[in-house]
Amino acid sequence: AQSVTQLGSHVSVSEGALVLLRCNYSSSVPPYLFWYVQYPNQGLQLLLKYTSAATLVKGINGFEAEFKKSETSFHLTKPSAHMSDAAEYFCAVSDQEGGGNKLTFGTGTQLKVEL
Amino acid sequence: NAGVTQTPKFQVLKTGQSMTLQCAQDMNHEYMSWYRQDPGMGLRLIHYSVGAGITDQGEVPNGYNVSRSTTEDFPLRLLSAAPSQTSVYFCASTQQGGYGYTFGSGTRLTVV
Repeated sequence: AQSVTQLGSHVSVSEGALVLLRCNYSSSVPPYLFWYVQYPNQGLQLLLKYTSAATLVKGINGFEAEFKKSETSFHLTKPSAHMSDAAEYFCAVSDQEGGGNKLTFGTGTQLKVEL
Repeated sequence: NAGVTQTPKFQVLKTGQSMTLQCAQDMNHEYMSWYRQDPGMGLRLIHYSVGAGITDQGEVPNGYNVSRSTTEDFPLRLLSAAPSQTSVYFCASTQQGGYGYTFGSGTRLTVV
């Protein structure tokens, strides 16, 4: 079975500050890892994904994440927060052996960006 | 290219009523899934399908049925609605290989 833990259900940063959203996963097989963003009253949009090609993954809107197998982590970062980054962020895992057919989500982190 | 289309966007049901949430994708994806989203619980998998004619249960399947007669469509049926099924439902699709699911815009369901 796979699982995802997102530390911090709410994170607040100042505009221009570093964004760090934490995600740790548990998987008995090589994982695929994803970050999704959800704006209010909308569906989920894929930010970036790790599929074993490169451990540092760059996504849309200036976000990136690093896969660290030894720490079972896939933390999301952005060097400088913008007001438009305020949203809920979800980390998710699926297994490579299953072809990525079942996605397990964390409980989400609400990001607030303050002036 | 519409992606994943869900209908309806909003629905209010009375306890005990049944209904079908529609989901269609036009990307020829093999995999499709239904999730429900509840505050503080993230998204939980209800049912999923790896191809036409093949479905399986996810984490929270009780009270829901699915079928997949075509690659494009994956409807979710609520057999006898209960207030505990008040939630936002998302349909999603992807192709094999870790490409990441594409999500629909969701159906907000209220059961009274």
